[in-house]
Amino acid sequence: DADVTQTPRNRITKTGKRIMLECSQTKGHDRMYWYRQDPGLGLRLIYYSFDVKDINKGEISDGYSVSRQAQAKFSLSLESAIPNQTALYFCATSGSDRTSTDTQYFGPGTRLTVL
Amino acid sequence: RKEVEQDPGPFNVPEGATVAFNCTYSNSASQSFFWYRQDCRKEPKLLMSVYSSGNEDGRFTAQLNRASQYISLLIRDSKLSDSATYLCAVSRPYKLSFGAGTTVTVRA
Repeated sequence: DADVTQTPRNRITKTGKRIMLECSQTKGHDRMYWYRQDPGLGLRLIYYSFDVKDINKGEISDGYSVSRQAQAKFSLSLESAIPNQTALYFCATSGSDRTSTDTQYFGPGTRLTVL
Repeated sequence: RKEVEQDPGPFNVPEGATVAFNCTYSNSASQSFFWYRQDCRKEPKLLMSVYSSGNEDGRFTAQLNRASQYISLLIRDSKLSDSATYLCAVSRPYKLSFGAGTTVTVRA
């Protein structure tokens, strides 16, 4: 079984709809991240969380919100989806040592299309 | 200036060839460096960490040049299965910055 799972894997939605992307991990990691990937732009950080009570904005958080329901679960919401949020979204996790940057492990991604 | 920059390529090489490419970074305080491999819009997977002294994993060699602020990846004896996009990642406090990736295509 995969250590980091994402649901749904593919989603097509319409402008203005609310949508939630979910991420679960069995790696026991404290830190979780949401990225989006667009052609030519690489991975850009949307939000990250070091534990259930610690949520931080990344470089492109506008239009997104997150919820860390448990150590193992981190959800990303688009309150009112717009077409330029069409992208590939990845969740990632890393180890719990706050003083160092550990390797990040990625989920399989969610391909989101906003019409 | 982007925090992490990569030559997007593509690098088209024949099987058995050696291919090398760099990744430059702007934050001189960065401490950790990684190469990830990404296949066809699938999730990035760690290829190797990059250590100050350089490191090798089979046909892959990674180097770090702190003075010039770049890391490099060299692939020897390229295989068809090496065709992928290679992302470099550089640490910033508690997070990683990723390059946009270098595409390598190995042809038979």
